[in-house]
Amino acid sequence: AQTVTQSQPEMSVQEAETVTLSCTYDTSESDYYLFWYKQPPSRQMILVIRQEAYKQQNATENRFSVNFQKAAKSFSLKISDSQLGDAAMYFCAYTLPGGGADGLTFGKGTHLIIQP
Amino acid sequence: DSGVTQTPKHLITATGQRVTLRCSPRSGDLSVYWYQQSLDQGLQFLIQYYNGEERAKGNILERFSAQQFPDLHSELNLSSLELGDSALYFCASNDRGSTDTQYFGPGTRLTVL
Repeated sequence: AQTVTQSQPEMSVQEAETVTLSCTYDTSESDYYLFWYKQPPSRQMILVIRQEAYKQQNATENRFSVNFQKAAKSFSLKISDSQLGDAAMYFCAYTLPGGGADGLTFGKGTHLIIQP
Repeated sequence: DSGVTQTPKHLITATGQRVTLRCSPRSGDLSVYWYQQSLDQGLQFLIQYYNGEERAKGNILERFSAQQFPDLHSELNLSSLELGDSALYFCASNDRGSTDTQYFGPGTRLTVL
């Protein structure tokens, strides 16, 4: 079974600074998808960014970008110009095309604190 | 707003009871996924339906069952409830035709007393 590991239970960053959240995963598949989801205090799961494993180019969405290292099975999220609204739990997730047999496999999450 | 709706938002019930959670996917999405989020287990995949058919099964207890109806809405039935079933239950949907991205509903908070 695939596993996703987020080694940082909590991270803190000053407003307007840059922070990087780490994620590693274990799989024997070559084609898969990786995601970062944000869960603010409202508990809604919000998609932040998506990466297809067959694409070498790192995904970017405004202030959010990833560093995808397929050989190292690493998928980190960089948040630039951190804002108070970025404070949330961030979950790294993995899935196979079509959802696979396991749906999304999530890491345990990183709690991001933004210091004003 | 993801376009996925779930009802009810909150549910409080007693041990041994049965409840039904409802999910409507985004317009046009054929796949529905159910997840459980609890403090000790984190986010866990329960089950997937695609166009009315069960497609994949995860860590779903035998006391739990689900179905997807012809109009594509889905229901998750939880029976013989135990204290440990208290959790946030999410539904997600996607169309598989494009990005395999799952969009989540707001969740149903279940409290078993």
